[in-house]
Amino acid sequence: EVQLVESGGGLVQPGRSLRLSCTASGFTFGDYAMSWVRQAPGKGLEWVGFIRSKAYGGTTEYAASVKGRFTISRDDSKSIAYLQMNSLKTEDTAVYYCTRDRSGWYGDLDYWGQGTLVTVSS
Amino acid sequence: DIQMTQSPSSLSASVGDRVTITCRASQGISNSLAWYQQKPGKAPKLLLYAASRLESGVPSRFSGSGSGTDYTLTISSLQPEDFATYYCQQYYSTPQTFGQGTKVEIK
Repeated sequence: EVQLVESGGGLVQPGRSLRLSCTASGFTFGDYAMSWVRQAPGKGLEWVGFIRSKAYGGTTEYAASVKGRFTISRDDSKSIAYLQMNSLKTEDTAVYYCTRDRSGWYGDLDYWGQGTLVTVSS
Repeated sequence: DIQMTQSPSSLSASVGDRVTITCRASQGISNSLAWYQQKPGKAPKLLLYAASRLESGVPSRFSGSGSGTDYTLTISSLQPEDFATYYCQQYYSTPQTFGQGTKVEIK
C-alpha cells in the first residue's frame, strides 16, 4: 500500500525557516517524481514544485511564488522528500501536501499525503 | 502560465442527478488534465487522468472527456458520498495549475 506521511509543520515567525519531510512507503520511491501542493485556509490548491526522479536528472521546478525561497530535495536511500522553506511569509500559511507523480518526469498526482499545516505568524 | 477556469464554482444537486463540471484552459493542453475530489479536512483524491482515464478504484459513474482547451467531468448518477469539491489540474507544462474548484452541495 502506497503511503506518504508529511511531518515538520507548525507555527513559525515571518522570515524564519522550516523544513518539511515526506516519508514514503509501499513503492520504489526512486522511480517517481515527487511534488508538493499547498492549500491556504479556505482556498483552492496551489502547486508548489516538484523534483524529478534521478533517471530524469533529479531536476526541480517551482512556482513563481516560492522560487528562490523554497527548495525540494530527495533522499532515495531513505524514501524521503524534503521541502526546505526559507524567508517565510504570512501568505505561505497553508496545509502542505506531499504527492507522488505518476511518472519519474512529472504528471498527474496519483497519491497524496494527509498534509501538514504550516502557520506563519508573529 | 496556463490558466484553468472551472465552471460552475458551485452547484446544488440531488442524489441520482447527472452532474457536469467544465474546465477550460487558456491554451491547448493535449489531454494532460486530471480531476481530483476533495472532502472537507481530507487530502484530494485523484479521479481521472489524461482527461478520460479512470484511476483504479474510482467508480465508473465518474467520466471525463474533452480535447484541446475544453474538458468535462461528468458524474452520471450523483451519490451521497460524491458531495465534495472537485478540481481540475493541467500538467501539460509547468507551472502546473489547478482550477479554482467546484463545490457540489446537496439540494
